[in-house]
Amino acid sequence: EAGVAQSPRYKIIEKRQSVAFWCNPISGHATLYWYQQILGQGPKLLIQFQNNGVVDDSQLPKDRFSAERLKGVDSTLKIQPAKLEDSAVYLCASSFPRTYEQYFGPGTRLTVT
Amino acid sequence: LAKTTQPISMDSYEGQEVNITCSHNNIATNDYITWYQQFPSQGPRFIIQGYKTKVTNEVASLFIPADRKSSTLSLPRVSLSDTAVYYCLVGEWATDSWGKLQFGAGTQVVVTP
Repeated sequence: EAGVAQSPRYKIIEKRQSVAFWCNPISGHATLYWYQQILGQGPKLLIQFQNNGVVDDSQLPKDRFSAERLKGVDSTLKIQPAKLEDSAVYLCASSFPRTYEQYFGPGTRLTVT
Repeated sequence: LAKTTQPISMDSYEGQEVNITCSHNNIATNDYITWYQQFPSQGPRFIIQGYKTKVTNEVASLFIPADRKSSTLSLPRVSLSDTAVYYCLVGEWATDSWGKLQFGAGTQVVVTP
């Protein structure tokens, strides 16, 4: 079974530039999560989707971050404009409905200079 | 949100049992406790999940006292490959998806020969 796919794996941009991350969840997983993990810290939930709808985006900095999940499958997370403090690993996870276990992708390491 | 507190690090020798305790004093009625393992440059991986008393699977046990203000992950007979960061996660289970997810800061476990 294929796992959660993310791309790119690494990205280096300058501050004030824009960047987008892509996630393809495991087939059949209705729930999709985006996390931000700063070096040395635990993952922080940014946004959670259930199919196409947003379940929780309370910790998403909406002035610069946006996310969408078209057709309830793939998802894109965008940062515009990026700040130095956005340097982190961005993790995507997915899960079946009514299950506890989340499956994480390998993450995208973003460096903002 | 139920905040979690874990030890920053723990050292162990191969073959020993490792117990990691997570404090979550403000846990709510609908909150469940989940533990994840993370290796460098990888996404977290689900270990075990519970609500109360004791849960055991093929890799770990989870002990939750009656007041649920803490939980202890027990890893029996660790090996070098168990060297990783272990996260305690408290989240609200709402019908068919997680809500209000919050990872702890993680415990770095180092296993030596």
